[in-house]
Amino acid sequence: SQKIEQNSEALNIQEGKTATLTCNYTNYSPAYLQWYRQDPGRGPVFLLLIRENEKEKRKERLKVTFDTTLKQSLFHITASQPADSATYLCALDMEYGNKLVFGAGTILRVKS
Amino acid sequence: GAVVSQHPSRVICKSGTSVKIECRSLDFQATTMFWYRQFPKQSLMLMATSNEGSKATYEQGVEKDKFLINHASLTLSTLTVTSAHPEDSSFYICSASPPDRVSYNEQFFGPGTRLTVL
Repeated sequence: SQKIEQNSEALNIQEGKTATLTCNYTNYSPAYLQWYRQDPGRGPVFLLLIRENEKEKRKERLKVTFDTTLKQSLFHITASQPADSATYLCALDMEYGNKLVFGAGTILRVKS
Repeated sequence: GAVVSQHPSRVICKSGTSVKIECRSLDFQATTMFWYRQFPKQSLMLMATSNEGSKATYEQGVEKDKFLINHASLTLSTLTVTSAHPEDSSFYICSASPPDRVSYNEQFFGPGTRLTVL
């Protein structure tokens, strides 16, 4: 079965710096990978999707890379702000059916 | 944008009682909705896929008789936790994908329901 690993330790950075979060996966070659943001006590919010044939995707201050050889995705937030503080989840499609499997998420704390 | 709502947002119940959670897609129709459970500091775990007009599909290890799912219309799915016990206390979240986002499975999540069983 698929296994997704995200940094379990919180990432603390200074405002204005670039935050980089990692998502590694094993035992599967997903057709796409997604990133979500989750605030405490709330449901996740979709941020970006990147397909297996795409190396990089950008949206405003967000950038996602997808290395299918390394089985890794990197999620970058440039010019980070305290409002970016949240848990960021990566998700990939399951081997069967139109479903998603999620990583445990990485907590990002941006300090002013 | 697509909006998914859940009700109630919080519920506290006594052990042995049943609790119903509603999930609604407010501005789109969803033939499929997903139910997840999330324990503190853990990932979202898919419990089941709710299919409009047919039986739900449950993930391995999820008891279908304990977690009853009814998808009676294209905008409403309900999850009933029957005979709830303290170990069922968790954060329950539903999601759905609008028709124009189904191809790459962009999910819109509800705000979640915090269930506490005493």
